[in-house]
Amino acid sequence: DAMVIQNPRYQVTQFGKPVTLSCSQTLNHNVMYWYQQKSSQAPKLLFHYYDKDFNNEADTPDNFQSRRPNTSFCFLDIRSPGLGDAAMYLCATSRGVNEKLFFGSGTQLSVL
Amino acid sequence: GQNIDQPTEMTATEGAIVQINCTYQTSGFNGLFWYQQHAGEAPTFLSYNVLDGLEEKGRFSSFLSRSKGYSYLLLKELQMKDSASYLCAVRGDNYGQNFVFGPGTRLSVLP
Repeated sequence: DAMVIQNPRYQVTQFGKPVTLSCSQTLNHNVMYWYQQKSSQAPKLLFHYYDKDFNNEADTPDNFQSRRPNTSFCFLDIRSPGLGDAAMYLCATSRGVNEKLFFGSGTQLSVL
Repeated sequence: GQNIDQPTEMTATEGAIVQINCTYQTSGFNGLFWYQQHAGEAPTFLSYNVLDGLEEKGRFSSFLSRSKGYSYLLLKELQMKDSASYLCAVRGDNYGQNFVFGPGTRLSVLP
């Protein structure tokens, strides 16, 4: 089945140690999103790609970067994770404007 | 910018009907979506409105008034499994590419 896949499901990193989260999709969707969701809060949009065009939200910290090497893959890089970056990170895709989002199962990041 | 508001928590009884409201102020509008999210899981799509009026999907219905910046999600014949967070999300600026969630409403269904 076509889907959005995030690996790993759980990721543990150390304070200040760079970490990369991955997302892949078999839907061939144009748009890929990264959201951060902390406990009992709504998902917060970090950035998105429309094809290769990168769109950063104004309040996304510089510590967060993203790469989309091709249509299928998108990566979230956290250069120096702090304790406050512990959260669920959700990847989502959509075919284009006015289309719903399809979510991956998320990666729960812990920072020790 | 975008501002989306929902009640934080609601409680209802199994078998009852509940209405979850969402108000929004956005620069640009390209549709409003409702998602359900169980604890520790990813959001799942429930409904979509881009024109004014009511969209019905089984036990779930969603209403939109663009002039009022208002939507609601109606859940009928509540079941225990409906206990979850319900997220209102709006496609706004940037030709609809931005997809921003409201704070979510945590619904508890009691026996």
